[in-house]
Amino acid sequence: ETGVTQTPRHLVMGMTNKKSLKCEQHLGHNAMYWYKQSAKKPLELMFVYSLEERVENNSVPSRFSPECPNSSHLFLHLHTLQPEDSALYLCASSQVKGLHEQYFGPGTRLTVT
Amino acid sequence: DAKTTQPTSMDCAEGRAANLPCNHSTISGNEYVYWYRQIHSQGPQYIIHGLKNNETNEMASLIITEDRKSSTLILPHATLRDTAVYYCIVMTGFQKLVFGTGTRLLVSP
Repeated sequence: ETGVTQTPRHLVMGMTNKKSLKCEQHLGHNAMYWYKQSAKKPLELMFVYSLEERVENNSVPSRFSPECPNSSHLFLHLHTLQPEDSALYLCASSQVKGLHEQYFGPGTRLTVT
Repeated sequence: DAKTTQPTSMDCAEGRAANLPCNHSTISGNEYVYWYRQIHSQGPQYIIHGLKNNETNEMASLIITEDRKSSTLILPHATLRDTAVYYCIVMTGFQKLVFGTGTRLLVSP
């Protein structure tokens, strides 16, 4: 247990669906991150939040919409996804933004049909 | 970021020490060496990091050469649960965490 939980663990959705991924950290950290891990590709940083403010968006398509209502919760809202968006989506947190001791959740395995 | 070079895969017998090398010949003076691992179907796990001195924690030891051009992560008594992909990452304090392809360590009985 890393202190970072993600739900759901698995998700199958059609291209016209809207769904949300949830992440919660119980570590008292101030920074949270969304990463994408596609098959046989390195981890890709998507979004960074620091003190509930989005501080980084790495050219992620608008069909991915993050939300950070407080420092413990992070959401990734999904709509009109493409099959190539199928991947493992990982949430992480760190004490402060940029600190590289990041604690990762178990991920949500997303399949877009 | 400085580039790192790691072997694609390594094998280790259970109970023996696993020594995972990493070359980072272009590392600059303010860059740290970080190690993470990712067990199959789980999120990455922070292991250890260092700048110049050798470091040890409850998970592993990190040996950095004097010229800082290479390092070795040591798991002193490998177990089957240590089977994972191990990533060596070199960066300054506030760069993005960028994972390469890592070393796939297989610990066998």
